Amino acid sequence: DQQVKQNSPSLSVQEGRISILNCDYTNSMFDYFLWYKKYPAEGPTFLISISSIKDKNEDGRFTVFLNKSAKHLSLHIVPSQPGDSAVYFCAAHTGTASKLTFGTGTRLQVTL
Amino acid sequence: SQTIHQWPATLVQPVGSPLSLECTVEGTSNPNLYWYRQAAGRGLQLLFYSVGIGQISSEVPQNLSASRPQDRQFILSSKKLLLSDSGFYLCAWSISGGYNEQFFGPGTRLTVL
Repeated sequence: DQQVKQNSPSLSVQEGRISILNCDYTNSMFDYFLWYKKYPAEGPTFLISISSIKDKNEDGRFTVFLNKSAKHLSLHIVPSQPGDSAVYFCAAHTGTASKLTFGTGTRLQVTL
Repeated sequence: SQTIHQWPATLVQPVGSPLSLECTVEGTSNPNLYWYRQAAGRGLQLLFYSVGIGQISSEVPQNLSASRPQDRQFILSSKKLLLSDSGFYLCAWSISGGYNEQFFGPGTRLTVL
């Protein structure tokens, strides 16, 4: 039972354009959402998060949007840079011991 | 500042052999600790988490076990490895209580032959 889904396994975007990564969830008890970035053979690094009481959070080039009624969140990267090429995971907090449920990831390729 | 260490970075083990992966955290006290596995082409699966010394919660039934002998030390073990245990193992920590992001170690690539 995949409670956090990233339906696009890969995405290719030109440098300078906007990258939009999507994530859907099924558990209405999730109350905090996070995005992580992962390079091959490395651990994920935290990017940005959003509480369920908000619908938008912005940090530099990264903005996360949350639509609770649709159980959907998205990560916008503007402008996209070649160094953004990585696998992006969304994760949802379940309220116990800061446990996170991760999606399967979307591989972003930013081309020149 | 806090740092998290994992070793070894890579490991090749025969089927049926034992396993011990170690994770240590520096610069914080009483962290929550986590073990994840990323199988090829898959997401991150939570295997175990711990909110204190000697307290281990298992998320999925499997061939692995975890222990927390010290506050900032988390160990993943197996008595007999299976082929299906191959994967990328990640340790993570978070501040206890509230809504906190997790910080990940560099990972261990385990190949069982």
